[in-house]
Amino acid sequence: RKEVEQDPGPFNVPEGATVAFNCTYSNSASQSFFWYRQDCRKEPKLLMSVYSSGNEDGRFTAQLNRASQYISLLIRDSKLSDSATYLCVVSHGSGNTGKLIFGQGTTLQVKP
Amino acid sequence: SQTIHQWPATLVQPVGSPLSLECTVEGTSNPNLYWYRQAAGRGLQLLFYSVGIGQISSEVPQNLSASRPQDRQFILSSKKLLLSDSGFYLCAWSVSRGYSYEQYFGPGTRLTVT
Repeated sequence: RKEVEQDPGPFNVPEGATVAFNCTYSNSASQSFFWYRQDCRKEPKLLMSVYSSGNEDGRFTAQLNRASQYISLLIRDSKLSDSATYLCVVSHGSGNTGKLIFGQGTTLQVKP
Repeated sequence: SQTIHQWPATLVQPVGSPLSLECTVEGTSNPNLYWYRQAAGRGLQLLFYSVGIGQISSEVPQNLSASRPQDRQFILSSKKLLLSDSGFYLCAWSVSRGYSYEQYFGPGTRLTVT
């Protein structure tokens, strides 16, 4: 079993739609959580950190459920430019190494 | 502000040839540094990480090695490339924000071994 699991998709949605991605992680010792975005043939970029109380950044809302070991990302009012692969990422907080564990990613395609 | 550089952007090398990829970070000191590989259509695989000069940890046994000769320089090398070394190589640095480390990636090197 992968340590971080995501539905690979693709999710095909029309512009303006709301779409939600889910992610589960297996290590209950995980301490930090992130969503990264990766455009085709580009490097991953940090989209947002995920906090225990949930957090929002514009059209993006991230939520964490530690009891269920589940992370979600909600995108409202989808834009064509949101088309990308979204990576769910966790960290065990293992000392000072800062090592991250990446999910395989969920692909989003926003259509006009 | 911090920036991370990687070069070259693309590279085509024959099997059995050596490899040297360089990564440098500006605007920060004593960062943690990482090398990842992403094979076509696959996820990110952590290859090496470094928490300081001369300190290298390897995550998977393979045909590659890493070195950190200076605080903000991280080098990925191979003496003899294999076909399976093809992929997208990404360097990243991280900074501690309390207990959380956010990682920031360079633009990557796309390596094709022929």
